[in-house]
Amino acid sequence: DSGVTQTPKHLITATGQRVTLRCSPRSGDLSVYWYQQSLDQGLQFLIQYYNGEERAKGNILERFSAQQFPDLHSELNLSSLELGDSALYFCASSQKRGGTDTQYFGPGTRLTVL
Amino acid sequence: AQSVTQPDIHITVSEGASLELRCNYSYGATPYLFWYVQSPGQGLQLLLKYFSGDTLVQGIKGFEAEFKRSQSSFNLRKPSVHWSDAAEYFCAVGGSGGSNYKLTFGKGTLLTVNP
Repeated sequence: DSGVTQTPKHLITATGQRVTLRCSPRSGDLSVYWYQQSLDQGLQFLIQYYNGEERAKGNILERFSAQQFPDLHSELNLSSLELGDSALYFCASSQKRGGTDTQYFGPGTRLTVL
Repeated sequence: AQSVTQPDIHITVSEGASLELRCNYSYGATPYLFWYVQSPGQGLQLLLKYFSGDTLVQGIKGFEAEFKRSQSSFNLRKPSVHWSDAAEYFCAVGGSGGSNYKLTFGKGTLLTVNP
């Protein structure tokens, strides 16, 4: 158990809908990262937050957004969902801003868009 | 741009045999390198990491990896594989500074262990 929690574990929804994925980092970790794992793209970095502020952005679609709250939990919002958004979404956390920090991963949320 | 190549999509070994999983990276500065393992339906678990110093790093579950700068490689090894090692293994490279905090992952190597 990494100490990173993600809810829900599974999510099934329809195209065009909007969903919110939630992540609670390890106690004391200030950075939260979101990754998407799909069969065709593999594991891809989406976005990082550090202590409430966006720090780095990767291949995140404009239909996706994220935020980190004062209690350091983070939410990833996916809107206007398409079939291709079906994937496993991981959250990771680390103590500081990155670099030598080790990222600890949660169990993931499996999103299925029908 | 940083990148990671894992040349072997799928490897099958017999239990008790040795294992080497290959990883080649591309990164302009000093890389930070990681190996993660993902069991079916599970998240990613860190096996080991290299930041600096001794190029042979020891990890959990009896795994080790060697950083070879001249070959841009960070191969994962285990002398004797156990059935419980069957999983997917991901090599990743992280930035060493600036604003480059993301991890870039390889496509993964799926390990099957035969009894």
